[in-house]
Order: sequence, then structure tokens, then C-alpha cells
Amino acid sequence: DGGITQSPKYLFRKEGQNVTLSCEQNLNHDAMYWYRQDPGQGLRLIYYSQIVNDFQKGDIAEGYSVSREKKESFPLTVTSAQKNPTAFYLCASSSPVTGTYEQYFGPGTRLTVT
Amino acid sequence: GEDVEQSLFLSVREGDSSVINCTYTDSSSTYLYWYKQEPGAGLQLLTYIFSNMDMKQDQRLTVLLNKKDKHLSLRIADTQTGDSAIYFCAERGGYNKLIFGAGTRLAVHP
Repeated sequence: DGGITQSPKYLFRKEGQNVTLSCEQNLNHDAMYWYRQDPGQGLRLIYYSQIVNDFQKGDIAEGYSVSREKKESFPLTVTSAQKNPTAFYLCASSSPVTGTYEQYFGPGTRLTVT
Repeated sequence: GEDVEQSLFLSVREGDSSVINCTYTDSSSTYLYWYKQEPGAGLQLLTYIFSNMDMKQDQRLTVLLNKKDKHLSLRIADTQTGDSAIYFCAERGGYNKLIFGAGTRLAVHP
């Protein structure tokens, strides 16, 4: 089955610690995205990558970092510099080949920092 | 700038039709999308419409697009309890990014 996996589903960390969220896709999509969702709000774009070894900041990149060493993988690190990291994080991918640019989402990781 | 707005809440009776509305600002948007999110889950793509279309129908879902008013709607016929979720409207922005609305929470009651 093709799809996007995110792990773990729930993650707990102490304040001051960096944490890395995993995102893997086997859809052969070139583009991948990370979003943050807070209660009652829409999705806000953190980082995106159009191709391997390249990525761009989204609207709220401060306190986050990413890498794109493989087409299938786009891990997100939440650093201690992120002021309010507790949120639901969603990874997505898309393929410009389809021409319709729809994004497909993983199941999400809920991060709680105390 | 790019912005997408939706009403936050809609309550309907089971079996009735639901209409979720959305307005967007970027008149150059080529594609608009509807996603569904169930509690604690990721977003599921429901449907999308190309900007040169006025309407698209897919089983119980009907999407209407009014380009002049930059208004998009999603109609769900014969709404069921399983349709209870948050529905997001999105427009295609620059660099193939999607711009999402805040989501409309649909509650279906008997």
C-alpha cells in the first residue's frame, strides 16, 4: 500500500530537549511538507521541500529544522528554540507530475512538551 | 495576499444536506481543494476543482465555484453521522503550496 507514515503518533518531551519527528512516503512524490496544527486553527506551513537536498522555510520556520537527504524521507526537528512546541504536526507530499498539485497527508504526530 | 476564510461551525440533522462555504482571495488560484479531518487524524483529500469549472459532482459531494465572488462551497447530500468532522478548504498558492482555511466543524445530530 502506498502512503505516508509518521511516527510516533504521540510524543512527550521535556522542555529544553530537541526532538525529531519522522515522515516517510512511498508514493514516489518529489515534494514534501510539514505543517503545524493548533486547536481551532488551520494548518500553518513550517518547511517544504520540492526536491531532494533542497528545502525552503514556510510561514513559521523559527525553532524548527529539516533535512531531505532521501526522496522518501523528510524528518522535522523541533529545537529548544521553539517557544511553544506543543501541537499536532502533519506531514504531506505531492507530485507535480499529476498537474493537480493535491497534497496527501500522513496520520500526524501529537507532540507534548512539558 | 493569499487568504482563505471559512465559517467555524455547522450543525445539521442526519439525512439533511450540509453546505460548507469558503472564500479565497487569490484570483489566480488554479485549483481549490476540500479536505476532511476526523478527530486525531490527518487530512483526507475529498475532492478538488479546477478554476475553469463551475461545478464538480462526486457521489454525495457537490462542489460549486463562483470565480467572480471567489466563493467555493461543498455540499454533502444525505448527511450521515460519519460525516461529522472538520472540513478544510484550500487554494493552491505560489510554489505549489496550499493555503488552508481554519476549518469548519460539521456536527451531525439525529
